[in-house]
Amino acid sequence: DAGVIQSPRHEVTEMGQEVTLRCKPISGHNSLFWYRQTMMRGLELLIYFNNNVPIDDSGMPEDRFSAKMPNASFSTLKIQPSEPRDSAVYFCASSSHQGLETQYFGPGTRLLVL
Amino acid sequence: AQSVAQPEDQVNVAEGNPLTVKCTYSVSGNPYLFWYVQYPNRGLQFLLKYITGDNLVKGSYGFEAEFNKSQTSFHLKKPSALVSDSALYFCAVRGRSGANNLFFGTGTRLTVIP
Repeated sequence: DAGVIQSPRHEVTEMGQEVTLRCKPISGHNSLFWYRQTMMRGLELLIYFNNNVPIDDSGMPEDRFSAKMPNASFSTLKIQPSEPRDSAVYFCASSSHQGLETQYFGPGTRLLVL
Repeated sequence: AQSVAQPEDQVNVAEGNPLTVKCTYSVSGNPYLFWYVQYPNRGLQFLLKYITGDNLVKGSYGFEAEFNKSQTSFHLKKPSALVSDSALYFCAVRGRSGANNLFFGTGTRLTVIP
């Protein structure tokens, strides 16, 4: 199994630009999670999906952030427009109910907004 | 509300000595508890979990954790620390009953000194 796949691994962009982060969960997993990690705030859950449906997006910082899961094998997290304070490492994780909520994390996308 | 606390930001231990990374929890209902490890520039990796049964849970890389209901604790332990165990460790608890999101602690940085 390839594990959770995220792309790109690194992204450098200028303030105001649109940023799209991508995630492919582990095949057969029905839950997908987006996290953000910073030194100041630690690990924050942004949003999660069950069976492609958003369940809890209360962690999404503001309207500039949006996430979609059009099918069971793909999800995107979009920031438009990006700001320097969005600079962080963004992780995607997936889990299956049969695994009793054990989440498996991707390698992360390191985002730098200049 | 479900939450975990990791009271120590940093733990230092000499190689070969036993290590303990502390975690306390607050939950309504039965706790599902997890430990994850994060190596530099990597995603979080699952170490072990407690769902039910034996209070001593064994996990990856020789780690174990002891569930203590009376003290609401779930401390991570290893009998003999290795330099390669140096990493960031996160305790987590499942969300409310029926949910499958996790609430993570703030993390404890473990440094094993040669």
